[in-house]
Amino acid sequence: EVQLLESGGGVLVQPGGSLRLSCAVSGFTFSSYAMSWVRQAPGKGLECVSVISETGSHTYYADSVKGQFTISRDNSKNTLYLQMNSLRVEDTAVYYCAKRMAGTTRVFDYWGQGTLVTVSS
Amino acid sequence: EIVLTQSPGTLSLSPGERATLSCRASQSVSGSNLAWYQQKPGQAPRLLIYDASKRATGIPDRFSGSGSGTDFTLTISRLEPEDFAVYFCQQYNGIPLYSFGQGTKLEI
Repeated sequence: EVQLLESGGGVLVQPGGSLRLSCAVSGFTFSSYAMSWVRQAPGKGLECVSVISETGSHTYYADSVKGQFTISRDNSKNTLYLQMNSLRVEDTAVYYCAKRMAGTTRVFDYWGQGTLVTVSS
Repeated sequence: EIVLTQSPGTLSLSPGERATLSCRASQSVSGSNLAWYQQKPGQAPRLLIYDASKRATGIPDRFSGSGSGTDFTLTISRLEPEDFAVYFCQQYNGIPLYSFGQGTKLEI
């Protein structure tokens, strides 16, 4: 069974602060799939903030977080990370870890349950 | 930049009825690279349809997708009580590389 479990959220962070999210996965060969972080602000839609290739050699960032967030992965630990710096109020959202479908189809076929990041003074 | 606009914003129907949800792109989505997701309150999104018309694993055949270019449709042939949720479309071939529509809420 495919499982993705996010952690690192659930805390209140002040504007300008930093936070690192983790996503531990199981049930599939982690190193064979690109992975992503998708966020959803309260009552809003979905935004793909970052994607990382299978080996970690290629990354993608939404313009809204470029230079602020860093995605990484440790294939030996089956874990995905998102380092978030200089956090702003508008970064408040539920952050989902998502597995990308195999091949070139850039859709997300499995998702974690999400972790809430709240940025407020 | 490709902007996806979903309509209607809210769709009120009853179980057993047919639902038709629209997703319109501001520019052509090449390769029919469009997907649909379902999201229920407090849950993560679930992939329903990809490549405009292919059902994801385990998705009932009452869900179907169609369209190409700039106009795409998700159809639910006979609504079941568990289908009432928010539906998002996503394009994955334009700029930005990944973008979602704002969602359609399907309510009873």
